[in-house]
Amino acid sequence: DQQVKQNSPSLSVQEGRISILNCDYTNSMFDYFLWYKKYPAEGPTFLISISSIKDKNEDGRFTVFLNKSAKHLSLHIVPSQPGDSAVYFCAASDPLSGTYKYIFGTGTRLKVLA
Amino acid sequence: NAGVTQTPKFRVLKTGQSMTLLCAQDMNHEYMYWYRQDPGMGLRLIHYSVGEGTTAKGEVPDGYNVSRLKKQNFLLGLESAAPSQTSVYFCASSYRQGSYGYTFGSGTRLTVV
Repeated sequence: DQQVKQNSPSLSVQEGRISILNCDYTNSMFDYFLWYKKYPAEGPTFLISISSIKDKNEDGRFTVFLNKSAKHLSLHIVPSQPGDSAVYFCAASDPLSGTYKYIFGTGTRLKVLA
Repeated sequence: NAGVTQTPKFRVLKTGQSMTLLCAQDMNHEYMYWYRQDPGMGLRLIHYSVGEGTTAKGEVPDGYNVSRLKKQNFLLGLESAAPSQTSVYFCASSYRQGSYGYTFGSGTRLTVV
């Protein structure tokens, strides 16, 4: 039973436009949410995070929105650039699990078209 | 560069062979993790460690063993490889829970034939 879901396996966006990547979760106890970016043949790299006590966090072109009532978070990239083409994973942590681990979604492959 | 180093980067094994994947981090992180990435499955946790000398099972531990004899190293062993263990393996480490997340290694691509 997947607790973190990314229902869109892929997304194509024109350069300069907004990219919106979505993530849904089932566990209302998750306290931190992260987005990772992964290029081929490389490990995932941390992109941006948000605490469950906030509803928005912004870092340059990247903004993460959290809607706790809907158990939904999204990553907005504005403007999108060809270098943003990668696989994006969302991840969530459960403080009540007693362990320090994140649960990952299945990823969304973003392609930014020049 | 500081970070997480995985060796080897590629390996081909025959069914039934054994091997050990090595993960080393130089950031003095307490927590270390082994994940596998498969198409359509995302990243799934195999085993993890919350400190030197400790290990615990993750989501998909069967067929794997781990050891954390030194704080900086986390070893993943396959005693008798199976084709279902063909995957890309990622090691990660973290200082603590919360917004800091993990630092990942670059991965080991393992093929079992």
